[in-house]
Amino acid sequence: QQQVKQSPQSLIVQKGGISIINCAYENTAFDYFPWYQQFPGKGPALLIAIRPDVSEKKEGRFTISFNKSAKQFSLHIMDSQPGDSATYFCAASVGLGGGSNYKLTFGKGTLLTVNP
Amino acid sequence: SQTIHQWPATLVQPVGSPLSLECTVEGTSNPNLYWYRQAAGRGLQLLFYSVGIGQISSEVPQNLSASRPQDRQFILSSKKLLLSDSGFYLCAWRQVSSHTQYFGPGTRLTVL
Repeated sequence: QQQVKQSPQSLIVQKGGISIINCAYENTAFDYFPWYQQFPGKGPALLIAIRPDVSEKKEGRFTISFNKSAKQFSLHIMDSQPGDSATYFCAASVGLGGGSNYKLTFGKGTLLTVNP
Repeated sequence: SQTIHQWPATLVQPVGSPLSLECTVEGTSNPNLYWYRQAAGRGLQLLFYSVGIGQISSEVPQNLSASRPQDRQFILSSKKLLLSDSGFYLCAWRQVSSHTQYFGPGTRLTVL
C-alpha cells in the first residue's frame, strides 16, 4: 500500500532527446509527488513536485505529468543534456495533516545517462 | 537561508568498531529530521526520523540507533559496526509546514 514503483531502472538517451521516467502508486491518500535528482556522491535535490489537483507541471525542460485515475505520474526531460545524467527518484507522501508520521515514500531510482 | 551539514564526509571503519555520524541544520527551528541509507548507489532506505528533541522513530530494526540531543542536531550511532552497515548515509530535514525534504551532502561509510 505504501510502495511507489519506478521504471525503468536505467535509461540511455541521446543528447537532445526526451527522457521519460514513470512511477505508479497504490495509496490513494498520497497527495504530494516530488522528483529528486541525485548526482554521484551527492545528496538528492528536489527537482520538481506536483499536487494531484493538476495534471501537469512544467519547470523549464522538466515536466511532471500526473494521472490520478491511473495512479501514475511521470517525469519528462525535454532536450536532454549530458549534464542531466544522474539518478532520479520519484516519491510520494500523504498530506501534512498526517502529523508526526509524515514521511516520503521513494521509488527505487532511475539511472539516466545522456550521451553526447 | 537554511543549511544542512553532515560529517564526516567519508569514513572507513573496521568491523566491530563504534560509529557516530552527525547532522546539523542551520537557519531553522524545530525541523523534522531524517536518516536514510543508500546502499549499492541507488535506493533510499529510511532508517530513523525525529519530530523533536529526544523523539526518535525507527523504521527498520537494525544495528543502528539515532539520537536528537538538540533541536537541530541528529546523530546516527552504532556500538559495533557490521560489514552490511557500509553505505551512503544521508540526513534530511523539513519544515513542519512544508512537504519538501532537503538532503545533506551525505557520509560515505565503508566497513572493512
